[in-house]
Amino acid sequence: EAQVTQNPRYLITVTGKKLTVTCSQNMNHEYMSWYRQDPGLGLRQIYYSMNVEVTDKGDVPEGYKVSRKEKRNFPLILESPSPNQTSLYFCASSFGGQSWADTQYFGPGTRLTVL
Amino acid sequence: AQSVSQHNHHVILSEAASLELGCNYSYGGTVNLFWYVQYPGQHLQLLLKYFSGDPLVKGIKGFEAEFIKSKFSFNLRKPSVQWSDTAEYFCAVNARGAQKLVFGQGTRLTINP
Repeated sequence: EAQVTQNPRYLITVTGKKLTVTCSQNMNHEYMSWYRQDPGLGLRQIYYSMNVEVTDKGDVPEGYKVSRKEKRNFPLILESPSPNQTSLYFCASSFGGQSWADTQYFGPGTRLTVL
Repeated sequence: AQSVSQHNHHVILSEAASLELGCNYSYGGTVNLFWYVQYPGQHLQLLLKYFSGDPLVKGIKGFEAEFIKSKFSFNLRKPSVQWSDTAEYFCAVNARGAQKLVFGQGTRLTINP
């Protein structure tokens, strides 16, 4: 089954404790992206990757890191989480089609709480 | 910078009512346009998309959207909603050639049976 998986689905942590949210897709997509969803703000892009070893900042990259060492995986790293990073996080991937933005496939989301 | 505005934050309708959700964007160049839907407890999924051609596009589950370039709008419509359409709806815009996808704030749609 074609899918994007994220782990963990729920995480409660404390300020300053490094964490990684994993994202994996089995569709051989080149483009992957991370978003955060906050009430009243919709989804905002954190980082994206056009291919292996090619990553770039989205609109809200502060406090986050990513890496793309393999095509299928795109982990999101919070080196020193803070309470303002409490949010719902989505990973997405796309094949490209008419453009890289064509038909994003989203993961189930990771609900992160930073105390 | 691109921005997307969805005017309605929460819409409540009865079954069989007609639906129109507004979406306006700010960008003067060529854009790709999308509507995504998030049903309760499910992943975000694509409802419909516009790249070029006929400005009236049809998506899944009877939804359609019309791109009006002069108004910078891409409103979502459905002639007769069902209880199962209860969900959150997001409009998204990609400036042609850019690597960013900008989402609106989302509209929560509640359909009363």
